[in-house]
Amino acid sequence: QQQVKQSPQSLIVQKGGISIINCAYENTAFDYFPWYQQFPGKGPALLIAIRPDVSEKKEGRFTISFNKSAKQFSLHIMDSQPGDSATYFCAASIGGGSQGNLIFGKGTKLSVKP
Amino acid sequence: DTGVSQNPRHKITKRGQNVTFRCDPISEHNRLYWYRQTLGQGPEFLTYFQNEAQLEKSRLLSDRFSAERPKGSFSTLEIQRTEQGDSAMYLCASSLAPLNTEAFFGQGTRLTVV
Repeated sequence: QQQVKQSPQSLIVQKGGISIINCAYENTAFDYFPWYQQFPGKGPALLIAIRPDVSEKKEGRFTISFNKSAKQFSLHIMDSQPGDSATYFCAASIGGGSQGNLIFGKGTKLSVKP
Repeated sequence: DTGVSQNPRHKITKRGQNVTFRCDPISEHNRLYWYRQTLGQGPEFLTYFQNEAQLEKSRLLSDRFSAERPKGSFSTLEIQRTEQGDSAMYLCASSLAPLNTEAFFGQGTRLTVV
């Protein structure tokens, strides 16, 4: 069974701090690694994604770090804000994301305290 | 609204009844995906379509689940003889492959089987 393991399950960060969420995968055929943000009652929304040919990608306050040899990738949220409080999911797929089958982690519930 | 639209948003049904959910993807998106999300878990891939062709359906949870996209536009997901374990959020997503791999999710249909 293809699997993506995500940690921690929950995270509390003070406003202005750095939130770090980690994921590990097993299938070396994965070649597309997106992170999704989900607010209660809403569908997941793509935050940022990376392919294994780069080790880091930054978009605003969000950064993905990718370690191909360790089969791990992480999301860093800089200057965390209360509005970032949501559940974050890492995911992986084969075929550069075009295959359709995203394998999601179990999610991390982030709470940013003012 | 040009996002992915799902109807109904909520459905309560008695065990043993059949239910059908509808998804209207973003206009001109050729890919349409169905996922299931249970409480505290990440979305779980069920099936997807390229236009009207169902390219992957082995992940449908049982033969009680079926999906259609007859004209390559909207899609329906049907669950026959519902069971309490079917209670979950059913999410639809769409994308324009292969040009853009980002999958845009709808807000989901929450099913409660009583």
